[in-house]
Amino acid sequence: EIVLTQSPGTLSVSPGERATLSCRASQNVGNNYLAWYQQKPGQSPRLLVYGATTRATGIPDRFSGSGSGADFTLTISGLGPEDFAMYYCQQYTTLPRTFGQGTKVEI
Amino acid sequence: EVQLVESGGGLVQPGGSLRLSCTASGFNFYYYWVAWVRQAPGKGLEWVASIDPHGNDTYYVDSVEGRFTLSRDYAERSLYLQMNNLRGEDTAIYYCVRDTFGVFDFWGQGTLVTVSS
Repeated sequence: EIVLTQSPGTLSVSPGERATLSCRASQNVGNNYLAWYQQKPGQSPRLLVYGATTRATGIPDRFSGSGSGADFTLTISGLGPEDFAMYYCQQYTTLPRTFGQGTKVEI
Repeated sequence: EVQLVESGGGLVQPGGSLRLSCTASGFNFYYYWVAWVRQAPGKGLEWVASIDPHGNDTYYVDSVEGRFTLSRDYAERSLYLQMNNLRGEDTAIYYCVRDTFGVFDFWGQGTLVTVSS
């Protein structure tokens, strides 16, 4: 099983700033099959990025995914008030599909 | 518009059973994997199970293997999760998701399952 570790657990930033979220895997994520999701309180998660770098349909370009192998990053540039939420990474190269424990982005 | 609508959650005693349903619309149900992902109260996300487009192959997380059974009905465009021998640690919101080669690209609103005496 691939274990994903996200850091930091909580990220405090101001509106307009850049947020950098990390996701490290316990082993190589083949084909960079790594996705990122956003979840706001009381809502279902929403897909942001897949294939480590490809934004999902309708996701603004201030969300940027990067990385390869076992180290991945989600960067949110120019944080808006709607971006304060939980963010999860997920690998889909092997079964079981696994998620990181999440990073909370707060003001 | 892709929509996934779950139902069937509720309160059940430890050792009891429950069947969750998910009705899909807005996409060709014959072509896609579908899955369940759960979230315990105040916790993170956990993949539970996935089923292939033909309904022939199912995959489960170890903690539910042998207790949960995933199936699909094409006429009803529905996904079902039969949950038996439920435990306290199964308490969670269960989300029905469209599974596109392992990417969970659309999510339902979730249904809450509470296992408690």
